[in-house]
Amino acid sequence: DQQVKQNSPSLSVQEGRISILNCDYTNSMFDYFLWYKKYPAEGPTFLISISSIKDKNEDGRFTVFLNKSAKHLSLHIVPSQPGDSAVYFCAASNDYKLSFGAGTTVTVRA
Amino acid sequence: DAGVIQSPRHEVTEMGQEVTLRCKPISGHDYLFWYRQTMMRGLELLIYFNNNVPIDDSGMPEDRFSAKMPNASFSTLKIQPSEPRDSAVYFCASTRGLGSDTQYFGPGTRLTVL
Repeated sequence: DQQVKQNSPSLSVQEGRISILNCDYTNSMFDYFLWYKKYPAEGPTFLISISSIKDKNEDGRFTVFLNKSAKHLSLHIVPSQPGDSAVYFCAASNDYKLSFGAGTTVTVRA
Repeated sequence: DAGVIQSPRHEVTEMGQEVTLRCKPISGHDYLFWYRQTMMRGLELLIYFNNNVPIDDSGMPEDRFSAKMPNASFSTLKIQPSEPRDSAVYFCASTRGLGSDTQYFGPGTRLTVL
């Protein structure tokens, strides 16, 4: 059963605009949430994370929002840049075990 | 500091052959994870170790799969005998633990079983 879901398989955004990626989860025991970015032929690279006790974490152009009551998190990238074109995975942690979503492919158009 | 190292990067083998994938975690990381990525199932956890001890192998698909961690700097994932449906990208990841859940991934091994 998929405990972490990314319902949008792809997203296309113009350079300079905001990219918003969404993720839903079902397991209320998850206590830590992460976003990973993946380029072809490379391993996933950690991007940003948030603890379940917070509702927002910001790192430069990347902001992650967590809504625990809705079991929903989102990643905002602003402004989007061509180098942001990649697959983004949402992940949730329980006792160091990560469950991943299926990924969203982001394409940033010039 | 070097990241997680995996070898080989690509492996092509014939059905029935034994395959061994190797991983060197980041120095000082106490947790090591093996994942498999396929189009059908995405990224799925196979097994993970803490201080070289297997903690959870519930994701290992069959008895044909086995993993070992003889010391803190080396782990293997073995498939014997291999089957075409084992074709996937296998990732190794490590984390320091102690309250940090961020896992750092290696570049992966792309396995093709003919």
